[in-house]
Amino acid sequence: GQQLNQSPQSMFIQEGEDVSMNCTSSSIFNTWLWYKQDPGEGPVLLIALYKAGELTSNGRLTAQFGITRKDSFLNISASIPSDVGIYFCAGQMRGNTPLVFGKGTRLSVIA
Amino acid sequence: SQTIHQWPATLVQPVGSPLSLECTVEGTSNPNLYWYRQAAGRGLQLLFYSVGIGQISSEVPQNLSASRPQDRQFILSSKKLLLSDSGFYLCAWSVLGTGDYEQYFGPGTRLTVT
Repeated sequence: GQQLNQSPQSMFIQEGEDVSMNCTSSSIFNTWLWYKQDPGEGPVLLIALYKAGELTSNGRLTAQFGITRKDSFLNISASIPSDVGIYFCAGQMRGNTPLVFGKGTRLSVIA
Repeated sequence: SQTIHQWPATLVQPVGSPLSLECTVEGTSNPNLYWYRQAAGRGLQLLFYSVGIGQISSEVPQNLSASRPQDRQFILSSKKLLLSDSGFYLCAWSVLGTGDYEQYFGPGTRLTVT
């Protein structure tokens, strides 16, 4: 099946630092989504992207739909302790097909 | 607004016992429904998805099965659990339409098979 390569696998950063993570694929996707999962809970949708080149923000989070449609990026500015969790990217190749998920980036914030 | 419920929240079952996990969605009609399993806090494995009542697609062959007896109800079952069935089970829904293909997840069920 299709795979998304998400990197880095894990990050340890100081509070206040900016964070960048990305997701790449060998296939073209029509939709890119970013989720955050807190321990013991279901993933929560952060940002959805539908057009190549699209740049969308949600508070301190900014995500971009890569121009080649094969990648996406998520940036978090001025990290805070509650940003801790696992961030997943997900892509959809065409309508009404299941999402393909990356393996996640585990973010730890050191106060 | 839409909400999604899963129960039970946690479950401890012996090997060989049956399983039934339930997921219900409120506030929407004709949702696509999904079952995922997550092991060791990483990676979401799609198990089943359904685009309508009685329509189930299986992504991974295993001893689990799914059913959709009602529009907004999705059930995950097993006749005999294996140790490898332990994990965090997540249900999700989505609705086709403008700006959607977004999936929304439930709170999950933590299953431990002993």
